[in-house]
Amino acid sequence: GAVVSQHPSRVICKSGTSVKIECRSLDFQATTMFWYRQFPKQSLMLMATSNEGSKATYEQGVEKDKFLINHASLTLSTLTVTSAHPEDSSFYICSARAQGGYEQYFGPGTRLTVT
Amino acid sequence: QKEVEQNSGPLSVPEGAIASLNCTYSDRGSQSFFWYRQYSGKSPELIMSIYSNGDKEDGRFTAQLNKASQYVSLLIRDSQPSDSATYLCAVKSLETSGSRLTFGEGTQLTVNP
Repeated sequence: GAVVSQHPSRVICKSGTSVKIECRSLDFQATTMFWYRQFPKQSLMLMATSNEGSKATYEQGVEKDKFLINHASLTLSTLTVTSAHPEDSSFYICSARAQGGYEQYFGPGTRLTVT
Repeated sequence: QKEVEQNSGPLSVPEGAIASLNCTYSDRGSQSFFWYRQYSGKSPELIMSIYSNGDKEDGRFTAQLNKASQYVSLLIRDSQPSDSATYLCAVKSLETSGSRLTFGEGTQLTVNP
C-alpha cells in the first residue's frame, strides 16, 4: 500500500517552454500533497503544500506564478514549471499524505533538464 | 539552531555491524518522527515511524525516541552493503503549520563489504 507515482520520470525541455509533472496516489486518497526540489548532493527543499480543492501554500522564495500547482482530486496533483530556465533543472519529487496521518509517501521523482 | 539536526557523515561501518544514526530536534512539542532512506538518484522511502518514547523494531531496523532529550535514533543491525544510502530524519513539529514535515539534511551511510 501507499504507492505514489509520478510522470514523467525524466523530461528534457527547451528554455522558455513549460513542463507539467503529475503526481498520483494509487491506493489511497491524499488530502495533502507536497512538492519538493532537490539539487545534486543537497537536501530536500519543500516548494509547496497543496490540499485538495484549495490553493497551494508556497514556501518563502518559491515563485507561485512560475511553479503552478493544481490539486484537483484526492489522487492527483500537478506541478507546472512555466517558462523554464536552465537553473530550474533539478529533481522534482512529490509526496502524499493520507487523511489522519503524518506519514508522507514519496513518488519516484521527475528529473527535469532545461536546455 | 536548525530544527532537525543530523550528522552529515559519511558514516562508514563494516558489513554485519550495527549502524547507529542520530537526530536531534528543537521543538519539544513534536509528536511524530520518521526515518527515510534515500538511495543516490532516487526519492526518499519511508522505513520507520515512531510516536512514543522507547524503541520500535521492524526487522533489522530499530527506532529509538527520547522526547525528554529531544533525540531520535535509528539502529540498523547486521548492516548490508545494500543499506548504503542517505538516511533522513523527519519531524512533525508544532512550530510548523499544517501537515508538513521538517527534514534533517541526512546522514550518508556506507556499509563496506
